Amino acid sequence: EVQLAQSGAEVKKPGESLKISCEASGYSFSNYWIAWVRQTPGKGLESMGIIHPDGSRPRYSPSFQGQVTISVDKSINTAYLQWSSLEASDTAIYYCARPLVPGSVTGFEIWGQGTLVTVSS
Amino acid sequence: QSALTQPAAVSGSPGQSITLSCTGSTSDVGLYKYVSWYQQHPGKAPKLMIYEVNSRPSGVSNRFSGSKSGNTASLTISGLQAEDEADYYCSSYTSSSAPEVFGGGTKLTVL
Repeated sequence: EVQLAQSGAEVKKPGESLKISCEASGYSFSNYWIAWVRQTPGKGLESMGIIHPDGSRPRYSPSFQGQVTISVDKSINTAYLQWSSLEASDTAIYYCARPLVPGSVTGFEIWGQGTLVTVSS
Repeated sequence: QSALTQPAAVSGSPGQSITLSCTGSTSDVGLYKYVSWYQQHPGKAPKLMIYEVNSRPSGVSNRFSGSKSGNTASLTISGLQAEDEADYYCSSYTSSSAPEVFGGGTKLTVL
């Protein structure tokens, strides 16, 4: 079965760092981009950025450039999203997603279950 | 990059056909054939319903269809069913650095 399994919910304080993960299984990891999408409580979806497992430089949405770091470890079929200093406004559900078409960067067919990140003092 | 514009809410009765709109610009919807539509039920991850303007992934009902005219994309749901009640998001490829931009979402209520 093709799936993306994300790491569990996190509760952090402002200023703390965090790295969440997305482990792929059931398909050839190298053939598909992996994207990260944010959903704030009661709000819509926002594309944060996307990375190819070959390790090429990630592409970030202007809103998230410099705010997060997207990376990948091809040896363990896992993508990551990390923050160096969290803010309360980072409280959201974060999804990783894979496109339906190999090599495409749009049309996300496979989604992780989401990771809830809560940032509160 | 600006989000695509979707109506906040739409409603319809069972059996009806409804059309959801998604307005972008000449930098996204109007320029590329890569428009997608997602359905999201409360507490669930989004589900891809349409990709590349009018293609349906395997397993998606043929009651869902997509189209595009100029800078506006549309999702039509025919034979509306109670299970179609959900939030619907459009997205489009864009030439900016992060290649996908989403709409704000439309809440569909089946009366």
